[in-house]
Amino acid sequence: DTAVSQTPKYLVTQMGNDKSIKCEQNLGHDTMYWYKQDSKKFLKIMFSYNNKELIINETVPNRFSPKSPDKAHLNLHINSLELGDSAVYFCASSKQENEKLFFGSGTQLSVL
Amino acid sequence: QKEVEQNSGPLSVPEGAIASLNCTYSDRGSQSFFWYRQYSGKSPELIMFIYSNGDKEDGRFTAQLNKASQYVSLLIRDSQPSDSATYLCAAYTGTASKLTFGTGTRLQVTL
Repeated sequence: DTAVSQTPKYLVTQMGNDKSIKCEQNLGHDTMYWYKQDSKKFLKIMFSYNNKELIINETVPNRFSPKSPDKAHLNLHINSLELGDSAVYFCASSKQENEKLFFGSGTQLSVL
Repeated sequence: QKEVEQNSGPLSVPEGAIASLNCTYSDRGSQSFFWYRQYSGKSPELIMFIYSNGDKEDGRFTAQLNKASQYVSLLIRDSQPSDSATYLCAAYTGTASKLTFGTGTRLQVTL
């Protein structure tokens, strides 16, 4: 059983489109995150949620909207995709905010 | 100044040698520190974490923390080709409730 699963693994789309990435964790963790990793491997936090409540929103354009229907799911919707959005997006979860992160396998987003 | 800094490498060490990976952080309020390993095309996985000043050993890995110098390091003894990966240092700051990653150091263990 995959602990943190995200779909799709690859996403290729045109500029201006809207897309979503889904994430689910079966670890019973309270905190979930979205990280963006650019081509230079820099892993930057975008959002964190604790028990469905937004904790961190790191100056991410409002084209990005996270949604947490319950504490096991954190989805990411992106409107009006731009070339600069191309990156690998990782979902992660942790028991508490200061504890080990469990990462999903990543979604490689390519905006053409 | 980046919050967590690492030399991007690549750091090349021969098989069997000790690899030393270094990391500095700018926020003195950082409380805990993590080392993640990331193979190409894969997700990061935790290697070590450390909260207190000094050394912490786990198998071939030793994490070292010096809060006065705002410095964290990871030593890998008896390096193996399978250790070749990017190593990400991360610092957790409670006041900001967030984990900040460095840009990673690419390690190459040569035969």
